[in-house]
Amino acid sequence: KNEVEQSPQNLTAQEGEFITINCSYSVGISALHWLQQHPGGGIVSLFMLSSGKKKHGRLIATINIQEKHSSLHITASHPRDSAVYICAVGGGADGLTFGKGTHLIIQP
Amino acid sequence: GAVVSQHPSWVICKSGTSVKIECRSLDFQATTMFWYRQFPKQSLMLMATSNEGSKATYEQGVEKDKFLINHASLTLSTLTVTSAHPEDSSFYICSPLLAGVSYNEQFFGPGTRLTVL
Repeated sequence: KNEVEQSPQNLTAQEGEFITINCSYSVGISALHWLQQHPGGGIVSLFMLSSGKKKHGRLIATINIQEKHSSLHITASHPRDSAVYICAVGGGADGLTFGKGTHLIIQP
Repeated sequence: GAVVSQHPSWVICKSGTSVKIECRSLDFQATTMFWYRQFPKQSLMLMATSNEGSKATYEQGVEKDKFLINHASLTLSTLTVTSAHPEDSSFYICSPLLAGVSYNEQFFGPGTRLTVL
């Protein structure tokens, strides 16, 4: 079973700061997902990665398959970015294995 | 993108009662449905996987007689928590695997917050 570790667990930063959230996993995967969970609980899929790097607006996700590591970056962070960011691996017919999430607070 | 609805969004019930949670995929057919739950301050955990027209597969430690899953159609799956107890209080989320969509792409229902008194 894959073990998914995220760091940091909690992160508070000032508006405008560059944010990095890290994720490592123990077993080779077909895909890694970055998800955003809002206070009400709803989950939004941000990225699905199998290699390299993806960018969407101020969000950038990278993955190193050899090192079993991925990072999520937020540039020019804003209070509306405050949420829980979750790394998950797997997918397809096997479902996902989730990390515990990173609680991000961006202060104005 | 695909829309997944889940009902109810929250429910409070007394211990011993049963609660049914519905998950519908509105744009695509869901050949497989994953049910996850999330206890406070914990990560999401897979409870069970169901395929349309067949019995669900439950993860270790999840009681199949307590958490009844029905996936009778390609657009509707239900999770019934039978004889609910306070320890079943959790956030339940469905996630369909949608036919015709990228195999690894993930969609989630908005979740159901269950509180058992």
